[in-house]
Amino acid sequence: KNEVEQSPQNLTAQEGEFITINCSYSVGISALHWLQQHPGGGIVSLFMLSSGKKKHGRLIATINIQEKHSSLHITASHPRDSAVYICAVNFGNEKLTFGTGTRLTIIP
Amino acid sequence: EADIYQTPRYLVIGTGKKITLECSQTMGHDKMYWYQQDPGMELHLIHYSYGVNSTEKGDLSSESTVSRIRTEHFPLTLESARPSHTSQYLCASSNGWNTEAFFGQGTRLTVV
Repeated sequence: KNEVEQSPQNLTAQEGEFITINCSYSVGISALHWLQQHPGGGIVSLFMLSSGKKKHGRLIATINIQEKHSSLHITASHPRDSAVYICAVNFGNEKLTFGTGTRLTIIP
Repeated sequence: EADIYQTPRYLVIGTGKKITLECSQTMGHDKMYWYQQDPGMELHLIHYSYGVNSTEKGDLSSESTVSRIRTEHFPLTLESARPSHTSQYLCASSNGWNTEAFFGQGTRLTVV
């Protein structure tokens, strides 16, 4: 069965802390997506990657194909980073399979 | 900024009513998707389309139906709403295999 697991489910940190969210998947993939969902419900695509590492501002995403694992890092975290972060993968087709999300809360 | 729009954002409706959730995108994407998400849970694919006149059911069984008469428009219809249909419905589009997905703001549906 094609599965996506995220950890932790919930994460609370102080402003300024370095944040890491993890995603593991069960079989080979063609692409992995990191998404951000704010309380209003809308989803924003942060990264799509199939190898290596990508950086955008304070956000960094890495993927290890051999270990079937990806991480999303946030440097110098800020309360506005509070959201649900979702890992989703393409298991060799165009449909996305989603993890259950990590709820991040950054306290001022 | 994503050019994909959903209306309405919020809808409260009585049991038995027919409803249509609208989704439009201005990016010319062939691929469009409808997802259902219950509070605190993951998204589940309920319908997708790879182009005009192409629609398929997703992984999660749904009593809703969809149509794709125009590239930019992918409406979802419930013929007779029930309380079990209460959920958030998210529309998305992409330009093809392994490309970025763009999501709408979602429609939060409550059936009373």
